Amino acid sequence: ETGVTQTPRHLVMGMTNKKSLKCEQHLGHNAMYWYKQSAKKPLELMFVYSLEERVENNSVPSRFSPECPNSSHLFLHLHTLQPEDSALYLCASSQGVDRGSPLHFGNGTRLTVT
Amino acid sequence: DQQVKQNSPSLSVQEGRISILNCDYTNSMFDYFLWYKKYPAEGPTFLISISSIKDKNEDGRFTVFLNKSAKHLSLHIVPSQPGDSAVYFCAAKALNTGTASKLTFGTGTRLQVTL
Repeated sequence: ETGVTQTPRHLVMGMTNKKSLKCEQHLGHNAMYWYKQSAKKPLELMFVYSLEERVENNSVPSRFSPECPNSSHLFLHLHTLQPEDSALYLCASSQGVDRGSPLHFGNGTRLTVT
Repeated sequence: DQQVKQNSPSLSVQEGRISILNCDYTNSMFDYFLWYKKYPAEGPTFLISISSIKDKNEDGRFTVFLNKSAKHLSLHIVPSQPGDSAVYFCAAKALNTGTASKLTFGTGTRLQVTL
């Protein structure tokens, strides 16, 4: 596999469920990101991991919990979500975090909270 | 308050003609700008970028123009092809925003290239 792979592609969960989104990058990058895309809104940065260390979380609610066990894998653990959390969740990676390193995105997980 | 604005949610252009997608920004600290393209059911892919020290960057059929005084950039696609039909996102970065990369995205413009 090449690029950035996200699983599952679609997820429907109740407000009391616990689930996890998975992301894997095969590009040898050293930074990984979670973005949220809601309808008619810009992509919002949720978390950045650089060299396995979280460097920014942008005040995301604690019901979203990221985990980055190594530079190739990134998880987003979800629990007690709200219906307004329904969105497309995109994982991305880059080589470094400076302005010259464009993001490579996965195809996203479409999350529906019922 | 949106710092990166794409005021046209959609655009329809005939094949072979020029497509012009516009983007305005409000933060004068932005100094690097990128365009991403997104097909349905896929993630965005990087298309082209421009630094604030330039006013034009060209890559094949794609050219990005930057007007710093107007805080405006545009993406020109010429000639437009049916495969260019996608959603185009404008994004911007500021210098010295800390150790993390922080891209600010616009809401996107859906381009439809018709035959």
